[in-house]
Amino acid sequence: TQLLEQSPQFLSIQEGENLTVYCNSSSVFSSLQWYRQEPGEGPVLLVTVVTGGEVKKLKRLTFQFGDARKDSSLHITAAQPGDTGLYLCAGERSGGSNYKLTFGKGTLLTVNP
Amino acid sequence: EAQVTQNPRYLITVTGKKLTVTCSQNMNHEYMSWYRQDPGLGLRQIYYSMNVEVTDKGDVPEGYKVSRKEKRNFPLILESPSPNQTSLYFCASSLTGASEAFFGQGTRLTVV
Repeated sequence: TQLLEQSPQFLSIQEGENLTVYCNSSSVFSSLQWYRQEPGEGPVLLVTVVTGGEVKKLKRLTFQFGDARKDSSLHITAAQPGDTGLYLCAGERSGGSNYKLTFGKGTLLTVNP
Repeated sequence: EAQVTQNPRYLITVTGKKLTVTCSQNMNHEYMSWYRQDPGLGLRQIYYSMNVEVTDKGDVPEGYKVSRKEKRNFPLILESPSPNQTSLYFCASSLTGASEAFFGQGTRLTVV
């Protein structure tokens, strides 16, 4: 059983469209991180959400942490080809010993010009 | 510049020939880990280290070894590689196991 389920697994859209990807779990997380991985590179942190209900914005990207801290979403407005990549969520389960991140399998986003 | 450096980036080897993938970080992080990334399986942790001389198994440790003799270095050793270890490998470092992870650029390993 995957601790963090990401959906959709694949998403292909046209430039200018909006999209939302999801990261869901049945477990409570102390915090959730979102990473973007571009082809041929390692993942790079985009944002960390810590408080239930928290919303963070990074230019055209909006991240939300669920009130119960079991889920998170990433919304991209007016997607651009430069947004293409694998989006990964990762978190530490609440009550954990602060020694491990659990990663979802990711959403592979392709933005076509 | 803060970075995690892995070498080599690409490696093709034969079954049973011992190999080492090096990893070095310049951020004075205590926590380092190795992941493998496979299509449909995502990032899976192989081993991690919470400090010098402290290492422990992750989710998929079979067939791998690590060492942490210095804070900055965390090599991954495959004593007898097999084709099922063909994968994309990432080294990462962070302040703690749950804080922001800084990843290397990856090592694409093919075992034939």
